[in-house]
Amino acid sequence: EAQVTQNPRYLITVTGKKLTVTCSQNMNHEYMSWYRQDPGLGLRQIYYSMNVEVTDKGDVPEGYKVSRKEKRNFPLILESPSPNQTSLYFCASSFAGGNYGYTFGSGTRLTVV
Amino acid sequence: QQQVKQSPQSLIVQKGGIPIINCAYENTAFDYFPWYQQFPGKGPALLIAIRPDVSEKKEGRFTISFNKSAKQFSLHIMDSQPGDSATYFCAATIKLNGNNRLAFGKGNQVVVIP
Repeated sequence: EAQVTQNPRYLITVTGKKLTVTCSQNMNHEYMSWYRQDPGLGLRQIYYSMNVEVTDKGDVPEGYKVSRKEKRNFPLILESPSPNQTSLYFCASSFAGGNYGYTFGSGTRLTVV
Repeated sequence: QQQVKQSPQSLIVQKGGIPIINCAYENTAFDYFPWYQQFPGKGPALLIAIRPDVSEKKEGRFTISFNKSAKQFSLHIMDSQPGDSATYFCAATIKLNGNNRLAFGKGNQVVVIP
């Protein structure tokens, strides 16, 4: 089954403790992206990647890092999480970016206390 | 900076009604306008999309109407069913730095009452 898999689904952590949210897709998509979803703000792009070793900032990149060492994986790294990063995070992949539709993962609900 | 503005924020209709969600944009460089549907606990899923050279597109009970001169587009859900209750996001894409960037509206919660 074609899918984007994120782990974990739920995570509660403390301020400052580094964490990684993993994302993997099995569709051989070149484009991958991370979004955060907050009430009243919709979906905002954090980082995106057009291919292996090619990444760039989205609209809200502060406090996040990403890497794309393999085509299928696109982890999101929070080096020093803060409470304002409490949010619902989605990884998505696409054949060629927004014009071809994104397939989203099921989300990771992160709480930073 | 909200590049795609969506209204109304929420909508409640009776089964069989036609909820209509409107979106407006400013940047005329946008060249693809998708709608995503999101059920609770799930990620958004592409529902239907339109390009600016087309004024209307239908897929099943879902229709997009596009008004290029007004820079507006809308989603109509014909003969709505309780299973259509979800959050709907309009979006628009623009090519920036070689990437087809996708900008989302804030989302609209639609509730269809049996």
